[in-house]
Formats: sequence, structure tokens, C-alpha cells
Amino acid sequence: NAGVTQTPKFRILKIGQSMTLQCTQDMNHNYMYWYRQDPGMGLKLIYYSVGAGITDKGEVPNGYNVSRSTTEDFPLRLELAAPSQTSVYFCASSSTGWGEQFFGPGTRLTVL
Amino acid sequence: GIQVEQSPPDLILQEGANSTLRCNFSDSVNNLQWFHQNPWGQLINLFYIPSGTKQNGRLSATTVATERYSLLYISSSQTTDSGVYFCAVAAIKAAGNKLTFGGGTRVLVKP
Repeated sequence: NAGVTQTPKFRILKIGQSMTLQCTQDMNHNYMYWYRQDPGMGLKLIYYSVGAGITDKGEVPNGYNVSRSTTEDFPLRLELAAPSQTSVYFCASSSTGWGEQFFGPGTRLTVL
Repeated sequence: GIQVEQSPPDLILQEGANSTLRCNFSDSVNNLQWFHQNPWGQLINLFYIPSGTKQNGRLSATTVATERYSLLYISSSQTTDSGVYFCAVAAIKAAGNKLTFGGGTRVLVKP
């Protein structure tokens, strides 16, 4: 099993551009999450999903959108990128609503 | 929402020393995880420990859920233990297994 994979690893965007961060898991987990980590801080939840077709906001959802059309994939969309979205983005998944979360390697995004 | 506080914020150790990191949380949880973030930014799962005690090599962790704290023990520290240690919890009443992270403990192990 590859676990949780994320692409790309690094990306530089210009202000106002848009992009999609990809996240895929091969563990058949129902629950998936997007977190962001700003320099020197802990992670904060952006969006999460409890199953295909179901998504909900986390603590810091502004400026982002998500979709969950399959169990495996949970892409995160940035529209109109802003410097405040410069961060490292982590995707995670878990099999249950209380179980261990497994994290991907992260995507380092810089908006200039 | 739930509050998570980690202490100490920074820790400098001599190689071979032992240490204890603490995580306090403000509400009942059904998930507690400890992570190590290495200097390259990789987030490594150390323990899934909503209650009880676990050990993995030189690391061990204890969570006392009724008193709302967890401890991570590092014994015979090595330079590869350097990095940031995060505690993260999911509050029972919040549902969805949404993790709230503490601010981390930054550990530097000197040779």
C-alpha cells in the first residue's frame, strides 16, 4: 500500500492564480482531511469528508474548495491564490470517526 | 473548541539524556496522536493513544484521559530525535475525528 499520496510536492503560484492539490489514499478509508501548517505552527483543519459526496468545513476554510466524488480522492482547490495561502498542506485519512489518521508527505505552496 | 497545550515549548538535550513532553487538553477525546516532524518537514506517526500506555523502542507514551493529559517519554535520546513533536486530539463532542494540534515542542539533541 502506498498509503496517502499528494501531488505536487512543491508549487509556486502568482497572486490570483488557481490550482488543485491532489490527494489519494489506497486504504479504502471513508474519512479524509486537509490541513495546513504555517511556519512554526501546528496544523489547522481546512476541510474534511466522511465519505464520497460528503464534505464539511474545518477551522480555516476560506479561500478553498473541496470535492469528494470517489472514496480514494479528495482534491483541494485554491481559487484566486493570495500570499496568506503560502503554507504546507497535508492530506490525511482514517478508517473510522475516531481512529488513527495517516498523513501524506505534504505539498509546499508559495504564493508570490 | 478544544484547547491543546504542549510543554515545554523548547527542549535542548545532550545525546543520551531522557526527557518527558506533556500535552494537556481541555475536553474529552476519542483520538490522541503524537507525531514527530523531522527537519525536512515530514510528519511521522509515533503513537495513536486515546488512553493507556504504549511503547515503541526508546519512545513510550501514556494518556490519562480522565485527567486530560498525555506524556511522551524519550529515553537515551539520539541526534535523530531532533525536530518538533506534536500532540493532536479529536474531541468526542466535535464528531468527524477532526484533529486539533498543539503548538509543538521543539527538541534539539546535541552530540
